Amino acid sequence: AAGVIQSPRHLIKEKRETATLKCYPIPRHDTVYWYQQGPGQDPQFLISFYEKMQSDKGSIPDRFSAQQFSDYHSELNMSSLELGDSALYFCASSIGQGHGYTFGSGTRLTVV
Amino acid sequence: GENVEQHPSTLSVQEGDSAVIKCTYSDSASNYFPWYKQELGKGPQLIIDIRSNVGEKKDQRIAVTLNKTAKHFSLHITETQPEDSAVYFCAASEGASTGNQFYFGTGTSLTVIP
Repeated sequence: AAGVIQSPRHLIKEKRETATLKCYPIPRHDTVYWYQQGPGQDPQFLISFYEKMQSDKGSIPDRFSAQQFSDYHSELNMSSLELGDSALYFCASSIGQGHGYTFGSGTRLTVV
Repeated sequence: GENVEQHPSTLSVQEGDSAVIKCTYSDSASNYFPWYKQELGKGPQLIIDIRSNVGEKKDQRIAVTLNKTAKHFSLHITETQPEDSAVYFCAASEGASTGNQFYFGTGTSLTVIP
């Protein structure tokens, strides 16, 4: 069965650079969620999209932006990267909101 | 890789009743199993976890059981209250440390009816 695809799996960037993470949801899933999990921390909800519109916003820094495209894939854009942005970034998708989440394998971002 | 399955996807209980959510995993190398509670607009919060050297752990109204042989673990909430209403995720990992991948279940939307 198709799963949630995240790319890249690993990414190394220098401070003040930009990064773009991509998430391809399961076909027919219309909702995408982004989470950030720092070392030894619980996942933090960043932002979600339903039917290409932002549906909920969590602790996403102003340096980050995200969108969901017409094919329902989503991109998380991160600018002026800081060392503290080093984390595992998960994407999840669902049909509608509130249940039936499928998580991707995550993108491990390392900022040096 | 690891595959975590979670059931049910939705669960409604009357206030005061118990709620049980079950997860299975596939990788016998997994040895750390956290449970998270996610309220609307917030990130998942760790509510209880269990390691593979323990069969059961309890914290007030919440308990988790682990059957390593069968590769399944369950969350039990007793005397449910309306504020328990949330989405609950199980996860499996080879450890709780920084570099270990967490594999999440699909979530259970729990509704406690007053």
